[in-house]
Amino acid sequence: QKEVEQDPGPLSVPEGAIVSLNCTYSNSAFQYFMWYRQYSRKGPELLMYTYSSGNKEDGRFTAQVDKSSKYISLFIRDSQPSDSATYLCAMSALVSGSRLTFGEGTQLTVNP
Amino acid sequence: GAVVSQHPSWVICKSGTSVKIECRSLDFQATTMFWYRQFPKQSLMLMATSNEGSKATYEQGVEKDKFLINHASLTLSTLTVTSAHPEDSSFYICSGRKQGGLSYEQYFGPGTRLTVT
Repeated sequence: QKEVEQDPGPLSVPEGAIVSLNCTYSNSAFQYFMWYRQYSRKGPELLMYTYSSGNKEDGRFTAQVDKSSKYISLFIRDSQPSDSATYLCAMSALVSGSRLTFGEGTQLTVNP
Repeated sequence: GAVVSQHPSWVICKSGTSVKIECRSLDFQATTMFWYRQFPKQSLMLMATSNEGSKATYEQGVEKDKFLINHASLTLSTLTVTSAHPEDSSFYICSGRKQGGLSYEQYFGPGTRLTVT
């Protein structure tokens, strides 16, 4: 069983839609949760990170963590064509000195 | 700030030859660099972690004699794929982390696509 599961999609939505991206995990030691965006043929860039359970909002993006269910989500409001990319969740057990474990990535296309 | 470059961006080599990939942190000192491999529609898999001036720590299942990593300076790490085979064809991505940086504070390069024929 993979430590982190993420539906690879592809996911296609119209411009302006609310997008929900999700990951589940099995390792209860994970405490730090990240979302990365990766454009085609580029390296990932950090979008958001959260610690433990709760919500975090940054502009059109909201990250949610439910540690009791081992489930994390990223919501994108008012999605734009420029949001079209692959979104990867990542997790680590420690705040420093710890490796990142990535999900498979969800390929998102926002259609104008 | 925190820009990482990789060279080359893509490379084709023949089976049995070696290929070197460079990873440079352009505007910060990367005391730790990471090398990942990403197969199509799959996750980034950590291959090895290297600290400047030290030997790299390889993940389980990664052959250290095949994937040679050198982190000789705070701004440069290299990955050499020796005796490459078609199954080594993949997207190789490096990342750098500053001294004292947190786990998520890794800055990724744009990746190198390796095709072994």
